[in-house]
Amino acid sequence: EVQLVESGGGLVKPGGSLKLSCAASGFNFNSYSLNWVRQAPGKGLEWVSSISARSNYVFYGESVKGRFTVSRDNAKDSLFLQMDSLRAEDTAVYYCARVGDPSGYFYYFDYWGQGTLVTVSS
Amino acid sequence: QSVLTQPPSASGTPGQRVTISCSGSGSNIGRNPVNWYQHFPGKAPKLLIYNNDKRPSGVPDRISASKSGTSGSLAISGLQSEDEADYYCAAWDDRLSGYFFGLGTHVIVL
Repeated sequence: EVQLVESGGGLVKPGGSLKLSCAASGFNFNSYSLNWVRQAPGKGLEWVSSISARSNYVFYGESVKGRFTVSRDNAKDSLFLQMDSLRAEDTAVYYCARVGDPSGYFYYFDYWGQGTLVTVSS
Repeated sequence: QSVLTQPPSASGTPGQRVTISCSGSGSNIGRNPVNWYQHFPGKAPKLLIYNNDKRPSGVPDRISASKSGTSGSLAISGLQSEDEADYYCAAWDDRLSGYFFGLGTHVIVL
């Protein structure tokens, strides 16, 4: 069974940093692209970042570009999101999600974690 | 705002058919497949439709979708109370090099 479990969320002050993790199991981790998606309170889903299976392609949403860094450790079946210079508007539930097509040609998210809450507040 | 436009809400009575539109442009829906997700507050989003009209296993056939040009559409037939949720269309945008969700449509079962 495919499972994605996020961790690392919490309360952080504006300007601070936080690193999220996503532990994967039940599939061949190093064959799939992965993504981070967030939902701010009362808002819709927002794509944050994507990383290809071998980390050679990385993309970021405009609102986090230059502040967030996505990475993965294929030896440990883990995905990460380093979040720096955090702002109040980064407050959200952060989900990791798997791209369903191993080739990455068709981009859709077939499995999602339950999410981890990040709160940026003084 | 988003590059994909959806109505904020849609409603119907049990048994009715509800449709949700998703309007994009040539750099997203015009070039790439549309996907649809169902989301209940506090839960993980669920893939409902991928590659314009494909249903993952477990999604009932009363859920259907289509794409034409730069727009997509999701239909829920035989509306049930458990269909009351938020629905998002999404697609990759080649010009912006990112994946975009619509702002979401809240479906209300009257």
